[in-house]
Amino acid sequence: AQKITQTQPGMFVQEKEAVTLDCTYDTSDQSYGLFWYKQPSSGEMIFLIYQGSYDEQNATEGRYSLNFQKARKSANLVISASQLGDSAMYFCAMREGSGTASKLTFGTGTRLQVTL
Amino acid sequence: DVKVTQSSRYLVKRTGEKVFLECVQDMDHENMFWYRQDPGLGLRLIYFSYDVKMKEKGDIPEGYSVSREKKERFSLILESASTNQTSMYLCASSLAGEIVNTEAFFGQGTRLTVV
Repeated sequence: AQKITQTQPGMFVQEKEAVTLDCTYDTSDQSYGLFWYKQPSSGEMIFLIYQGSYDEQNATEGRYSLNFQKARKSANLVISASQLGDSAMYFCAMREGSGTASKLTFGTGTRLQVTL
Repeated sequence: DVKVTQSSRYLVKRTGEKVFLECVQDMDHENMFWYRQDPGLGLRLIYFSYDVKMKEKGDIPEGYSVSREKKERFSLILESASTNQTSMYLCASSLAGEIVNTEAFFGQGTRLTVV
């Protein structure tokens, strides 16, 4: 079974509009972390934002916010005031458990295209 | 500035060759990961290591092995390369321990073509 599901292969958004990228996850651990990464066409992976399973408030980092709904096991990324430079692949990832052997699992990604 | 370095950006190998992909990090991280990235499939975990000489299989370990003799270096080995291993390979590292909130840092990727 997929641990991380991103159901939107591609999304379009107009410049200056907000966009939500969906992510649902599956885990039986009580302690886990959720991450979003951006991969521009140059290929590097850029960390955007993190949400811990015990965090009561939604995480925010500048124009990025994470809409965390624990009961629904969803961790959607919201980008406000989209810019042309936001065009990229976006990956949701989860780290389960704690201790030494906690692996990091990624979803299939969403390609975001920002238009004029 | 933190750094994860992969030895090659592009690599072309012949079917049946033994291939080594090297990854070095300078952050004293315990965890290191190898992923392959294919269109429509995202990043799939091949192997990860949480300490020197310690490794765990990821989701797609078949056809691959790994080596971690030193903390800073994690090698991915294709024992006998096949055309279906043509892909982008990404190495990452992160802290471990009682910490789930540490991000992973990625290398620049190695695009491997097996002909």
